[in-house]
Amino acid sequence: AQTVTQSQPEMSVQEAETVTLSCTYDTSENNYYLFWYKQPPSRQMILVIRQEAYKQQNATENRFSVNFQKAAKSFSLKISDSQLGDTAMYFCAFMSRLGGSNYKLTFGKGTLLTVNP
Amino acid sequence: DSGVTQTPKHLITATGQRVTLRCSPRSGDLSVYWYQQSLDQGLQFLIQYYNGEERAKGNILERFSAQQFPDLHSELNLSSLELGDSALYFCASSPHSGSSYNEQFFGPGTRLTVL
Repeated sequence: AQTVTQSQPEMSVQEAETVTLSCTYDTSENNYYLFWYKQPPSRQMILVIRQEAYKQQNATENRFSVNFQKAAKSFSLKISDSQLGDTAMYFCAFMSRLGGSNYKLTFGKGTLLTVNP
Repeated sequence: DSGVTQTPKHLITATGQRVTLRCSPRSGDLSVYWYQQSLDQGLQFLIQYYNGEERAKGNILERFSAQQFPDLHSELNLSSLELGDSALYFCASSPHSGSSYNEQFFGPGTRLTVL
């Protein structure tokens, strides 16, 4: 079974600074997808960034980028120029194949990020 | 706004009762997924439906069941409720289950409190 581990329950960063959130996962699959979701106080789950395992290039979305190390099964999220609105719980998620063409998301426990003014 | 709607937003009920949570997927999305978010278990996949058919089950209790209707909306039924069932229940939808890449769009969730 796939597992996703986020070793940092809480982190804080000053506004405009850069912060990196860690995520490791365990799988025997070769083709899969990884995601970072953001959950602000509103509780809405918002997709931040995604990475296909077969792509060597790290994904980027504006101020958000990932460091994907497939051999190490590591998938960290870097937030540059942190903003107050980035304050949220961040979940790392692994998309695993259930069988046929059906997939499910397995989530880590989350990292609570606080951006301080 | 993801385009996925869930009702009700909040639900308070007593142990032993039965409740129904409703989800309407994004227009055109055929797959619906249900997730449970609780303090002790985190976010867990419960069940997936595709175009009216059950496709996959996760950590769903036997007291829980779901269905997807011809108009593609889905309902999650929770019965014989226990205190531990108190959680945030998310519905997510995706275009189809056949793609190798399947982004899931989450609804706002239903907060269930069992007293």
